[in-house]
Amino acid sequence: DIPMTQSPSSLSASVGGSVTITCRASQSIRTYLNWYQQKPGKAPKLLIYSASTLQSGVPSRFSGSGSGTDFTLTINSLQPEDFASYFCQQTYSPPFTFGGGTKVEIK
Amino acid sequence: EVQLVESGGGLVQTGGSLRLSCAASKFTFSSYEMNWVRQAPGKGLEWVSYISSGGSSIYYADSVKGRFTISRDNAKNSLYLQMNNLRAEDTAVYYCAREKTMVQGVIITRVFDYWGQGTLVTVSS
Repeated sequence: DIPMTQSPSSLSASVGGSVTITCRASQSIRTYLNWYQQKPGKAPKLLIYSASTLQSGVPSRFSGSGSGTDFTLTINSLQPEDFASYFCQQTYSPPFTFGGGTKVEIK
Repeated sequence: EVQLVESGGGLVQTGGSLRLSCAASKFTFSSYEMNWVRQAPGKGLEWVSYISSGGSSIYYADSVKGRFTISRDNAKNSLYLQMNNLRAEDTAVYYCAREKTMVQGVIITRVFDYWGQGTLVTVSS
């Protein structure tokens, strides 16, 4: 299995601000990295795949980068609906493990 | 739009069994690989099990291997998870998730592009 480590586990930010979330793999996963958003009581929603490709319909204020072992999810111009939890997932090698999640809260 | 609706969750005693179902609609179910993913209260996501489109390939997380059985009925557009010998640590919301292959030039990657709303399983002594 490939453990995925996310940081921070939580953060506070203001509407209009920016946040960056980090995801680290225990070994190289090339760019086989997905990001999901989850709101309380809801199912996860795919945001980004292949480390940097936005899923259809996802606003351009979301962006992803990285390759190998280190990846980032950046959200610019935070909107009220962006306050949620975010999870990374590696799909380089099964089982497709998830990071522990990052909760983005309103400051 | 694609719909996945889980059912079958509930309260069960330690050592008991439950069978979860996931009803799929608005897409060709038989063409897609499917997964079960769970989330313990206040915790992160944990992949549980995978089944190929035809059901011939199946994988499990080590934490459930030997106790859980994934299956599907493509004629009924349904995915199942039979859970036996349940433990307190199996308490979680269980989601079914569709797996899709995304092709970008020579890069082929997989995503869980649609998820159900989840069903809560509570294991109590």
